[in-house]
Amino acid sequence: DTGVSQDPRHKITKRGQNVTFRCDPISEHNRLYWYRQTLGQGPEFLTYFQNEAQLEKSRLLSDRFSAERPKGSFSTLEIQRTEQGDSAMYLCASSLSGGIGPQHFGDGTRLSIL
Amino acid sequence: KQEVTQIPAALSVPEGENLVLNCSFTDSAIYNLQWFRQDPGKGLTSLLLIQSSQREQTSGRLNASLDKSSGRSTLYIAASQPGDSATYLCATNMDSNYQLIWGAGTKLIIKP
Repeated sequence: DTGVSQDPRHKITKRGQNVTFRCDPISEHNRLYWYRQTLGQGPEFLTYFQNEAQLEKSRLLSDRFSAERPKGSFSTLEIQRTEQGDSAMYLCASSLSGGIGPQHFGDGTRLSIL
Repeated sequence: KQEVTQIPAALSVPEGENLVLNCSFTDSAIYNLQWFRQDPGKGLTSLLLIQSSQREQTSGRLNASLDKSSGRSTLYIAASQPGDSATYLCATNMDSNYQLIWGAGTKLIIKP
């Protein structure tokens, strides 16, 4: 068990560019979550997957955001036409189904928009 | 809509003291409640998870309690150490299929 892995750890980009983040969950976990966290706040839910199916999307996830989990393993989160307000830490978590066990988090990808 | 509040936002105590962190929530129909630790610039580490049918969970020097009727949970840290310095967040899960709803956290500083 190597834990949840996120790549890259940091991303700096100019406003208007597209960015893509990757998350590799714990291998036996079939649930995968994306959260966004700004400084001094708790995380905010963005979306989650059960295997390859995207089951829930927050209203925070505008049409500039898209997430995929094509084979039910790793996931990607893409932000198109980035804006200043997208600057945040993007966290990925995974868990087993049923909500019995805890969500395990990666170290996040910190996005800075210039 | 569930709201989770953590007070105080920051806490500084001398090393060796026992301390209690508070978490309150507005909707008592939770599925479970988790306590997490977050170090600066890092992700979140799950500390304790309490199912709605449970009253408390213990791990080492940590003890978390849950009182659904009053909408409160506490995290008790015994014999605090400088390495306990971090931000502690609580989060509720309203449904087994649902996302976590978070407090803003309490930043804890343990002074040597």
